[in-house]
Amino acid sequence: KAGVTQTPRYLIKTRGQQVTLSCSPISGHRSVSWYQQTPGQGLQFLFEYFSETQRNKGNFPGRFSGRQFSNSRSEMNVSTLELGDSALYLCASRPEWRESANTGELFFGEGSRLTVL
Amino acid sequence: EDKVVQSPLSLVVHEGDTVTLNCSYEVTNFRSLLWYKQEKKAPTFLFMLTSSGIEKKSGRLSSILDKKELFSILNITATQTGDSAVYLCAALLMDTGRRALTFGSGTRLQVQP
Repeated sequence: KAGVTQTPRYLIKTRGQQVTLSCSPISGHRSVSWYQQTPGQGLQFLFEYFSETQRNKGNFPGRFSGRQFSNSRSEMNVSTLELGDSALYLCASRPEWRESANTGELFFGEGSRLTVL
Repeated sequence: EDKVVQSPLSLVVHEGDTVTLNCSYEVTNFRSLLWYKQEKKAPTFLFMLTSSGIEKKSGRLSSILDKKELFSILNITATQTGDSAVYLCAALLMDTGRRALTFGSGTRLQVQP
């Protein structure tokens, strides 16, 4: 079974531009989460999607947005890029979203490393 | 504000040593504590701990949760160079309409030959 696939793996942008990152979850997984990882802040939760609906959202400005398609693939977008947005953006999937689900295991992709100049 | 703190931030040991990594948390509606290993890019799952005092073990790695004192430890015995990685702990919180994982900043472990 293929793992979580993220594209692009690396990209360089300049301040003010916008970027779109893509994530294909493991086949059969319907929940996709996005995380930002920086050396100073560690792994920070951006948002989680299930069945094309955003279920949870972290404390990031509105410049960060996402969506999920009917095939569970997800994209996240960052508009008006700032230098501080330089980070590794990790996508993670898991089989289902249910409040009562007692499994927290996430399956991570290799990430998209964004550099903002 | 939910918070997960790991210590030490980094650690250098020699092969064969035993290491203990610490994770403390302050999370509302706490459900479970998870440990991940991140070698290059993608973190990989190690353990999920939900009950206090019950050790989980996988080979040379073991972990335990103390829900009264709000911390967890990850032990690695007889370390090998392949154990070199960043170890992340995360607290899973769940309440009505909300589910989130709050990660610590990680402990970078370097095992020297």
